[in-house]
Amino acid sequence: TQLLEQSPQFLSIQEGENLTVYCNSSSVFSSLQWYRQEPGEGPVLLVTVVTGGEVKKLKRLTFQFGDARKDSSLHITAAQPGDTGLYLCASLTDSWGKLQFGAGTQVVVTP
Amino acid sequence: DTGVSQNPRHKITKRGQNVTFRCDPISEHNRLYWYRQTLGQGPEFLTYFQNEAQLEKSRLLSDRFSAERPKGSFSTLEIQRTEQGDSAMYLCASSLAGGREQYFGPGTRLTVT
Repeated sequence: TQLLEQSPQFLSIQEGENLTVYCNSSSVFSSLQWYRQEPGEGPVLLVTVVTGGEVKKLKRLTFQFGDARKDSSLHITAAQPGDTGLYLCASLTDSWGKLQFGAGTQVVVTP
Repeated sequence: DTGVSQNPRHKITKRGQNVTFRCDPISEHNRLYWYRQTLGQGPEFLTYFQNEAQLEKSRLLSDRFSAERPKGSFSTLEIQRTEQGDSAMYLCASSLAGGREQYFGPGTRLTVT
């Protein structure tokens, strides 16, 4: 089973600041997904990255996939209170779509 | 609303009781997944279905747990003789065969007292 390590565990910032969260593994990801989960709700898919070195942007969110496909980062520019949530990375572990999740980074953005 | 739905949203039960949760996937999705999430952790895979066939069960799914998807549409997850350690959020997700995107429901939060 591939172990996904996310850091930091918790991040509290002021509105307007930037933040970066990380997802690392000792083995190669076939592909990596980032989700955001709000309290009492299920995770919502933000992005899927597949190719080493890939960079994807979703409004103020920038996702990077490491060249060796063992790490990924999520950068949020000018964070807003609506960005508050648990950010999870997940790896597809087989062709049937089974996901292995990291423990997540809890992000709190205060006005 | 055409998303994944789960019922009930919350369930409080006493230790030793049986509980059953229901998941209704997105209608055209033939794959359905169950995950369990405890506080401070990411979701952990429990089991999944391709149509009505259950393809894999995690070792987390003890003999007290059973899941069904009888007609390849909705699914149920039953826990018999609940224990306090079963307290968690139970999440259901669905996807198209071959698709990378899974769509999650809002979850059922189980509290065993």
